[in-house]
Amino acid sequence: LAKTTQPISMDSYEGQEVNITCSHNNIATNDYITWYQQFPSQGPRFIIQGYKTKVTNEVASLFIPADRKSSTLSLPRVSLSDTAVYYCLVGDTGFQKLVFGTGTRLLVSP
Amino acid sequence: KAGVTQTPRYLIKTRGQQVTLSCSPISGHRSVSWYQQTPGQGLQFLFEYFSETQRNKGNFPGRFSGRQFSNSRSEMNVSTLELGDSALYLCASSRDRGSYEQYFGPGTRLTVT
Repeated sequence: LAKTTQPISMDSYEGQEVNITCSHNNIATNDYITWYQQFPSQGPRFIIQGYKTKVTNEVASLFIPADRKSSTLSLPRVSLSDTAVYYCLVGDTGFQKLVFGTGTRLLVSP
Repeated sequence: KAGVTQTPRYLIKTRGQQVTLSCSPISGHRSVSWYQQTPGQGLQFLFEYFSETQRNKGNFPGRFSGRQFSNSRSEMNVSTLELGDSALYLCASSRDRGSYEQYFGPGTRLTVT
């Protein structure tokens, strides 16, 4: 499993776009990049998953450069309810287990 | 479609006792994984079940065990509880094995006194 590095915390204001970058220098050819969101005392929630270029859903966008050594989760126009911990995971199908790092604690203020 | 459900939501036990937690996956999901979350250790993988068989196991002592039934529902058991077992226990389901797209339940908050 590739090791990931994310900022420990980020601050933003309502209505702004937030970009959280994850570094994964030793990502393997078959690895996918997956992001989860977790609120206090709740289970993580799957947000988005991608392999290359750009993936977009109703919640977020995921940008992956050609070398795939990093990825950026983009949250458009955040609100107070986006305050949570965001985890970046990297691995291929047939994985042994999900390995969660410390994540990025995002605080959105009014 | 109903999400992953876990029962009970809260539990208080005494050291030395045992506990059983239950998880019902999303309909159609055949893989169930269990995780322990504590402030100090974060989210840690316990084990994964698929087709009623344990497929993977994390680095936890044998006091932690589980099983999966033919309807994909799963239970985990912790025997001889220790204070350090106090944690949020999370169950996650996915359609197949090896999927990074897992759906987590609300968790069971276990407090050992």
